[in-house]
Amino acid sequence: DGGITQSPKYLFRKEGQNVTLSCEQNLNHDAMYWYRQDPGQGLRLIYYSQIVNDFQKGDIAEGYSVSREKKESFPLTVTSAQKNPTAFYLCASRIGGAGGEQYFGPGTRLTVT
Amino acid sequence: QQQVKQSPQSLIVQKGGIPIINCAYENTAFDYFPWYQQFPGKGPALLIAIRPDVSEKKEGRFTISFNKSAKQFSLHIMDSQPGDSATYFCAARSSNTGKLIFGQGTTLQVKP
Repeated sequence: DGGITQSPKYLFRKEGQNVTLSCEQNLNHDAMYWYRQDPGQGLRLIYYSQIVNDFQKGDIAEGYSVSREKKESFPLTVTSAQKNPTAFYLCASRIGGAGGEQYFGPGTRLTVT
Repeated sequence: QQQVKQSPQSLIVQKGGIPIINCAYENTAFDYFPWYQQFPGKGPALLIAIRPDVSEKKEGRFTISFNKSAKQFSLHIMDSQPGDSATYFCAARSSNTGKLIFGQGTTLQVKP
């Protein structure tokens, strides 16, 4: 069964704790993305990676970190520096090059109290 | 900053109606315009997409109309069904970076 998996679906953390969200794809896609979704604000890009061992900041990278050690995996860490971390987090991937559609995973809803 | 503006924010139609969702962009360096459909608690799913050299694209009940000179594009849903009730996002892909810029989303409700 191919696709993008994100785990867990729901995640709860106390304020001040770092938390890592998992994203795995078996589509052999080169590029991977992390978005944050808040009500009424659409999808905002946090980080993206075009190839292994390389990644770039998106529009709202502050308080987040990523790694891309394997082509299949692009974990996102929400650090304690993120001021408003409660949100729905979406991972996406796309085959490399000029073309290719972007496909999304099922998302992880993070609640920090 | 590149922007994509989407309207309306919400839309209610009767079954069989034709909801229309509009998007406008401010930058000409976009080479691809997809629409995504998202159900509550799920990730967005690619619905239909168009390139700027085409004025219209139809897939089943979904049609994109594209006006390059006006920098506007819209989604039409023919014979809408209650199962079409979802949030719809337009997007534009930067030809320079490959990143997608998303509109704010439209929540559609189709009443039986």
